Amino acid sequence: EIVMTQSPATLSVSPGERATLSCRASQSVSSNLAWYQQKPGQAPRLLIYGASTRATGIPARFSGSGSGTEFTLTISSLQSEDFAVYYCQQYNNWPPELTFGGGTKVEIK
Amino acid sequence: QVQLVESGGGLVKPGGSLRLSCAASGFTFSDYYMSWIRQAPGKGLEWVSYISTSGSTMSYADSVKGRFTIFRDNAKNSLYLQMNSLRAEDTAVYYCARHPTYCSSTSCHRVDAFDIWGQGTMVTVSS
Repeated sequence: EIVMTQSPATLSVSPGERATLSCRASQSVSSNLAWYQQKPGQAPRLLIYGASTRATGIPARFSGSGSGTEFTLTISSLQSEDFAVYYCQQYNNWPPELTFGGGTKVEIK
Repeated sequence: QVQLVESGGGLVKPGGSLRLSCAASGFTFSDYYMSWIRQAPGKGLEWVSYISTSGSTMSYADSVKGRFTIFRDNAKNSLYLQMNSLRAEDTAVYYCARHPTYCSSTSCHRVDAFDIWGQGTMVTVSS
């Protein structure tokens, strides 16, 4: 099983600042990586797939980069609605399993 | 609009069974792979199972293999998860989700991420 490790667990950022979230895979997943945003009481929302392609309707302030084992989600200027938990997910080693990272909580500083 | 609505969650005793349903609308259900994903209270996301468009191919997480069965009825635009031999550690919100298909000018391909999610249904396994 490919293990996805996200860091940091919690990121404290002021509105308007840049946030950089990391995701590391235990082995190469090529560019087969997605990012999601989840707010309390809501289902996750797909932000990025293919490591760097924004999903439909996702604002340009969200960007993804990386390949292989190291990936980054950048939020260029945090808005109030961006404070949430973010998950990465690999879909390279599939089947048999798809795996998610443990999440990074972005909170207001 | 494109929508997934889960139902069937509830409280069940350890060793019991439950069947979850997911009703799809607003898109051609039979064209899409589908998955179930769960989230234990206060925890992260765990993929549970997937099914192909025709229902002929399925895959399961090791944690549920042999106990859970995924199936679909394309005529009813519905996805199901039959859960048997339930354990306390199966307690979670269960989401159904769609695998997107993206098209260029020349071809379409499935991406094994999840672009549409239901609101989730809570399953609690407790005596």
